[in-house]
Amino acid sequence: QVQLVESGGGVVQPGKSLTLSCAASGFTFSSYGLHWVRQAPGKGLEWVAFISHGGNNVFSADSVKGRFTISRDDSKNSLSLQMNSLRVDDTAVYYCAKDYCPGGGCHGHYFDSWGQGTLVTVSS
Amino acid sequence: EIVMTQSPATLSVSPGERATLSCRASQSVSSSYLSWYQQKPGQAPRLLMYGTSTRATGVPARFSGSGSGTEFTLTISSLQSEDFAVYYCQQYNNWPVTFGGGTKVEIK
Repeated sequence: QVQLVESGGGVVQPGKSLTLSCAASGFTFSSYGLHWVRQAPGKGLEWVAFISHGGNNVFSADSVKGRFTISRDDSKNSLSLQMNSLRVDDTAVYYCAKDYCPGGGCHGHYFDSWGQGTLVTVSS
Repeated sequence: EIVMTQSPATLSVSPGERATLSCRASQSVSSSYLSWYQQKPGQAPRLLMYGTSTRATGVPARFSGSGSGTEFTLTISSLQSEDFAVYYCQQYNNWPVTFGGGTKVEIK
């Protein structure tokens, strides 16, 4: 079965950097787009970033554009999120999520599998 | 961006009763590109429904989805104890994909 395991969360000061990782198994990793979705404490879900299968297409939310970079390593079945210039309002649980569509060419993106999340706390 | 609004914020329902959750989009979500997720405390979200009305793998038949355009509904026909959770709708018609604020279904 699909498994997504996030790591790398922790407490970081405003303005600093942090890198999150997601280790995937149970599906053909290279065939699927992947996302990061976050959830601030007690709040709803916010999509953060997407990378297509093959890595040629990358999109990110306006709230993180220019600060966060999503990347993937298909040789290691791994997804990453490099977060720079962190702000207090970036505090959230960050989930790695698998796109439903194999191979691209589908309309839209929803999330058919999720990891358990990793907590990032930005605080001085 | 398409803003998704869910109502009510909290729904108090007795086990065995019917629950109806609403999701409204700020502009039309064409071709029913609308999904629903269930989230229990301390857990990741779980895909329940996609394409407005198609149940994800393993989702019981008591869950049903309907709607079009800007108005969508998730119905739970007879609430079981495991259904008490927060439910989110999500549109995937446009970038960025966006979620509603959630409806918490609690025990009455």
